[in-house]
Amino acid sequence: EPEVTQTPSHQVTQMGQEVILRCVPISNHLYFYWYRQILGQKVEFLVSFYNNEISEKSEIFDDQFSVERPDGSNFTLKIRSTKLEDSAMYFCASDTQGSPYSNQPQHFGDGTRLSIL
Amino acid sequence: DQQVKQNSPSLSVQEGRISILNCDYTNSMFDYFLWYKKYPAEGPTFLISISSIKDKNEDGRFTVFLNKSAKHLSLHIVPSQPGDSAVYFCAARRGNKLVFGAGTILRVKS
Repeated sequence: EPEVTQTPSHQVTQMGQEVILRCVPISNHLYFYWYRQILGQKVEFLVSFYNNEISEKSEIFDDQFSVERPDGSNFTLKIRSTKLEDSAMYFCASDTQGSPYSNQPQHFGDGTRLSIL
Repeated sequence: DQQVKQNSPSLSVQEGRISILNCDYTNSMFDYFLWYKKYPAEGPTFLISISSIKDKNEDGRFTVFLNKSAKHLSLHIVPSQPGDSAVYFCAARRGNKLVFGAGTILRVKS
């Protein structure tokens, strides 16, 4: 069964450094998402992306964050200057037709654990 | 964000019996509800979903019930199996995003 893959599984970075988290969504999916889960807290929506632009973002997704689909298969989340509070599990997800128009579930990768020192 | 609540942090059930996981929501704009299962060190795995226009959806051992007037949904697993032991997340969709509950740890004892 096709799946969303994320790399690396664990990223350790010094505070203030830039980090890029990578995702390969399921190949025929058109909508892509990033979520995060801080230890002990709920899974939170960050951003959704369709047709090479952001379709929705949360208040968490400030100017330090950006997303990109640099080629036909990868989807990346960049944090420009990491803070201690960015430490979390980051999950990438994708779905086929886009949530507002169809009842297709979002499928998640196994996440990247980001640790900021 | 308290829009989706799972009030039971954990549930313990004997193998072969029914597991019932509950979820409450406050936002009437949610139009689609999903249950995900999560094992340690893995991402959420989609289990079953229901549209807001339905009140029941069944898939094998898993059934989701939606009570819109009460803003409540539940997941029934019958019969429960030890492999069902995991964290179960309820999620509700508004626009492009999913809003998650805090999760319920299900332990199925053999």
